[in-house]
Amino acid sequence: GESVGLHLPTLSVQEGDNSIINCAYSNSASDYFIWYKQESGKGPQFIIDIRSNMDKRQGQRVTVLLNKTVKHLSLQIAATQPGDSAVYFCAESDLVGRRALTFGSGTRLQVQP
Amino acid sequence: SAVISQKPSRDICQRGTSLTIQCQVDSQVTMMFWYRQQPGQSLTLIATANQGSEATYESGFVIDKFPISRPNLTFSTLTVSNMSPEDSSIYLCSGGHSGLNEQFFGPGTRLTVL
Repeated sequence: GESVGLHLPTLSVQEGDNSIINCAYSNSASDYFIWYKQESGKGPQFIIDIRSNMDKRQGQRVTVLLNKTVKHLSLQIAATQPGDSAVYFCAESDLVGRRALTFGSGTRLQVQP
Repeated sequence: SAVISQKPSRDICQRGTSLTIQCQVDSQVTMMFWYRQQPGQSLTLIATANQGSEATYESGFVIDKFPISRPNLTFSTLTVSNMSPEDSSIYLCSGGHSGLNEQFFGPGTRLTVL
């Protein structure tokens, strides 16, 4: 098996339930935030992003919420499916500067059928 | 979006040797980066690969240990030099277009050093 995410916090949900994954960031200068999904043996896959001039953005079954006051980011997944099982990372960047990403520590999502 | 491939996908190497990892993007990207993901952990930026000039390294990473090339807008290499077991990790490259926000990742290269 793959070793990605072995020591990460785990969120276990039932299939069909909604999932909320949280992330705290530290850099007040960050103005761009991304959520990635990483399955075993694969690279991170882009899910959804949000710029700092927004506090909410919705995609297909996913919503990202940004609270700049407390430097908190969350990813909500509606009607969670077994295929959503993966490790989820938040990442932050600045759109004007070097554009490199700083990743959060990650959360493993396990969906129980 | 951009499709990014890496070679090799995995390798097992002996201590003291070097391995060069290749990253190919299917379209021209302005930015390319190299990250390391140690077992069970998150991604850490190694360096920004600059086209036609020396890479920009993050604190804790140096050119002698991780030389990087980027001869054009679609290709980059990362060499892990004089490897030790502590270098065992997944190495990932990413790319992004200027004017667009997303960065896309390759599948990673899983390196094991014995």
